[in-house]
Amino acid sequence: QVQLVQSGAEVKKPGASVKVSCKASGYTFTSYGISWVRQAPGQGLEWMGWISAYNGNTNYAQKLQGRVTMTTDTSTSTAYMELRSLRSDDTAVYYCARDRFIAAAEYYYYGMDVWGQGTTVTVSS
Amino acid sequence: SYELTQPLSVSVALGQTARITCGGNNIGSKNVHWYQQKPGQAPVLVIYRDSNRPSGIPERFSGSNSGNTATLTISRAQAGDEADYYCQVWDSSTAREVFGGGTKLTVL
Repeated sequence: QVQLVQSGAEVKKPGASVKVSCKASGYTFTSYGISWVRQAPGQGLEWMGWISAYNGNTNYAQKLQGRVTMTTDTSTSTAYMELRSLRSDDTAVYYCARDRFIAAAEYYYYGMDVWGQGTTVTVSS
Repeated sequence: SYELTQPLSVSVALGQTARITCGGNNIGSKNVHWYQQKPGQAPVLVIYRDSNRPSGIPERFSGSNSGNTATLTISRAQAGDEADYYCQVWDSSTAREVFGGGTKLTVL
């Protein structure tokens, strides 16, 4: 079945970096993009950015520009999200989600139809 | 930047119809997606492109979008529908995905 499986929980100190992985299975990895979405405790969903698994193109949320990097490894069908210079307000559950079907270099928007289970990142001194 | 406005909470009697709105400037010109999130779980897509249901989503869930308001309608509400619901669009002018603030649905 189609699924995204994320890496385990992380605890980091302020100023450190974290890298979360998201392994896809059950579909052609390069035919879709991956969005990363986070949710702070008791808060709503916040879109962080998107990466094309087809060619590595990225869009990042403006507030995270310069601190976030999204990459993919097509050989293992895995997407990665690295967040640097962590602060306490980066404490959240981080989700990856399949987003945008890619065909003939065009993007088709059908919503984020498959989600990972979430990775809790805690930033604390 | 583009903003989506949802009511913080909506209540509905068991078996009745719940309507959750999502307001945005000329949102009718965009494709709206809706997600359901239960406590401690990842979100689930319940409506895509305004009014389409993914496989496995009950027909009780429907959507519409016109003018400045998109609406998620849940017919014959069940206790299991209690959750947070989020609307989402792609804002082409900024090349960003945008989520609404979320609505907590309570089934009485």
